[in-house]
Amino acid sequence: DAGVTQSPTHLIKTRGQQVTLRCSPISGHKSVSWYQQVLGQGPQFIFQYYEKEERGRGNFPDRFSARQFPNYSSELNVNALLLGDSALYLCASSFDRGASHTQYFGPGTRLTVL
Amino acid sequence: GENVEQHPSTLSVQEGDSAVIKCTYSDSASNYFPWYKQELGKGPQLIIDIRSNVGEKKDQRIAVTLNKTAKHFSLHITETQPEDSAVYFCAAPHRGSTLGRLYFGRGTQLTVWP
Repeated sequence: DAGVTQSPTHLIKTRGQQVTLRCSPISGHKSVSWYQQVLGQGPQFIFQYYEKEERGRGNFPDRFSARQFPNYSSELNVNALLLGDSALYLCASSFDRGASHTQYFGPGTRLTVL
Repeated sequence: GENVEQHPSTLSVQEGDSAVIKCTYSDSASNYFPWYKQELGKGPQLIIDIRSNVGEKKDQRIAVTLNKTAKHFSLHITETQPEDSAVYFCAAPHRGSTLGRLYFGRGTQLTVWP
């Protein structure tokens, strides 16, 4: 079975630009969560989407937005990029929305902002 | 929110020795504790998890123990092998497990020398 997939794998942008990252969850999983991982740190929660609705949001500015599609895939958008947005962006899928449901991570998208 | 502290930040062991990584959490309502292994350039991979109704769980060379009174849980790897070298993260859920938010520790860089 295919795991969580993300695209693109790498991305280079300049300050002020906008970026869209994509995630496809494991088949049958309805929840997608997005995390940001800065080098040398653990992942930080950005959003959770379940059944196409936002169910939780971390401490990130409004420049970060996301959505979930009817097939449960998801997109993360970041506007007005800053140097500090450079990070590995991880998508995690789970069968249900509760934290006790195992979250499986994708390989991530490495975003570099110059 | 939840506060997860992880120690040590780096750990070097000889092949065949045991490795122990410890985490503490602050939210007494937390009831699910996963451990992830992250290799260079990859997303975190779930290696073992434990729920609050048990004190220990084993899977071959890997075990996790949970002390709810002291609010700490530990990862034990026995008979370590060079391929165990990676960054290991512990995590605990957001208060109110209806949300999928996980709080992660800062990670432990494990190096197993042959």
